[in-house]
Amino acid sequence: DVKVTQSSRYLVKRTGEKVFLECVQDMDHENMFWYRQDPGLGLRLIYFSYDVKMKEKGDIPEGYSVSREKKERFSLILESASTNQTSMYLCASSFYQGYGYTFGSGTRLTVV
Amino acid sequence: DAKTTQPTSMDCAEGRAANLPCNHSTISGNEYVYWYRQIHSQGPQYIIHGLKNNETNEMASLIITEDRKSSTLILPHATLRDTAVYYCIVRVGPAKGNTPLVFGKGTRLSVIA
Repeated sequence: DVKVTQSSRYLVKRTGEKVFLECVQDMDHENMFWYRQDPGLGLRLIYFSYDVKMKEKGDIPEGYSVSREKKERFSLILESASTNQTSMYLCASSFYQGYGYTFGSGTRLTVV
Repeated sequence: DAKTTQPTSMDCAEGRAANLPCNHSTISGNEYVYWYRQIHSQGPQYIIHGLKNNETNEMASLIITEDRKSSTLILPHATLRDTAVYYCIVRVGPAKGNTPLVFGKGTRLSVIA
């Protein structure tokens, strides 16, 4: 089975800190995605990547950046964490768009 | 991508079939219907997808109306583990380079013992 591993399940950071959320997949998938999920707002796409060193903005990229130096790893970076970035962050990967998305278990980030 | 409409919530008795409807009246000819579900505190999980024919796999069946304007996901014998939010998504078929999935609010299915 494809596995998508997110480095932390729970994370607490201070306002203004630079935060790195790491995601690694083990099935050579080309596509990787970062979503955030908030109560009442559902899953919202932050950034995605079709290939190494490629990145595309999703619906809510403000305050975030990403890095994909290797095919298996897709990092989400919060340049200066703010309390409104407290959320559940979900990473996913797929070979084809649409079906076959595999999600990680999520990182629940709290910014204080 | 076509917009979908799903009920906010549904209940189902354990052991009975759960029928989750989805309306997608603006679906285009090249758009597929995808279903995902999200169990509490986990990431979404792919269930099934289809274009116009009914589809079945080990998890569920997908029934698409002849005019393709609506579909129903069927869990034939719901268990407590099927309690989750179910997302119906309509978009173009699987291919490299297409835009990512957009998840709506979905239907919260509660399976009751």
